[in-house]
Amino acid sequence: DADVTQTPRNRITKTGKRIMLECSQTKGHDRMYWYRQDPGLGLRLIYYSFDVKDINKGEISDGYSVSRQAQAKFSLSLESAIPNQTALYFCATSPTGDQPQHFGDGTRLSIL
Amino acid sequence: GQNIDQPTEMTATEGAIVQINCTYQTSGFNGLFWYQQHAGEAPTFLSYNVLDGLEEKGRFSSFLSRSKGYSYLLLKELQMKDSASYLCADHTGGFKTIFGAGTRLFVKA
Repeated sequence: DADVTQTPRNRITKTGKRIMLECSQTKGHDRMYWYRQDPGLGLRLIYYSFDVKDINKGEISDGYSVSRQAQAKFSLSLESAIPNQTALYFCATSPTGDQPQHFGDGTRLSIL
Repeated sequence: GQNIDQPTEMTATEGAIVQINCTYQTSGFNGLFWYQQHAGEAPTFLSYNVLDGLEEKGRFSSFLSRSKGYSYLLLKELQMKDSASYLCADHTGGFKTIFGAGTRLFVKA
């Protein structure tokens, strides 16, 4: 089983819909991250969490919200999806900031 | 990432050596990560440099110069499977890691 699991793997939806992307991990890491990846722009940080009570905005948090339900679970929500949120979304974990991040397989999200 | 510069694309021949450069802003710098990402897949960790100098791991080596804000990833004995994007990432201040846009490497026969 994967250490970092993202669901769904693919999603197509319409403008205005509410969408939740789920991430769960079995690595026991405190830190969890959500990124989006667009062609030519690399990985951009949306939100990050250092523990269950700690949530921080990344560089592109507008239009997104997150919930850290437990150490192992970190979900990303798009309250009212818009087409420019079409992207590949990755969840990642790490034990500390100076250790490698471990990524899930990604969620490919298309908003029509 | 706005703090990271690396070439967009590179092409090299199977069996050859290729060097992928990365420059970053030095303010608050802690260390420099390199990740490999095959198309449509998750990034995977290659190396992390904190001190100046070259670190070697098999066919892959990574170099860091803190004073120059410069790093490179060196890939030797290139194989077709090395065709991927290589992401340089700047770890700053313990809070977050800033990723570059990545360098797409094409290895040709």
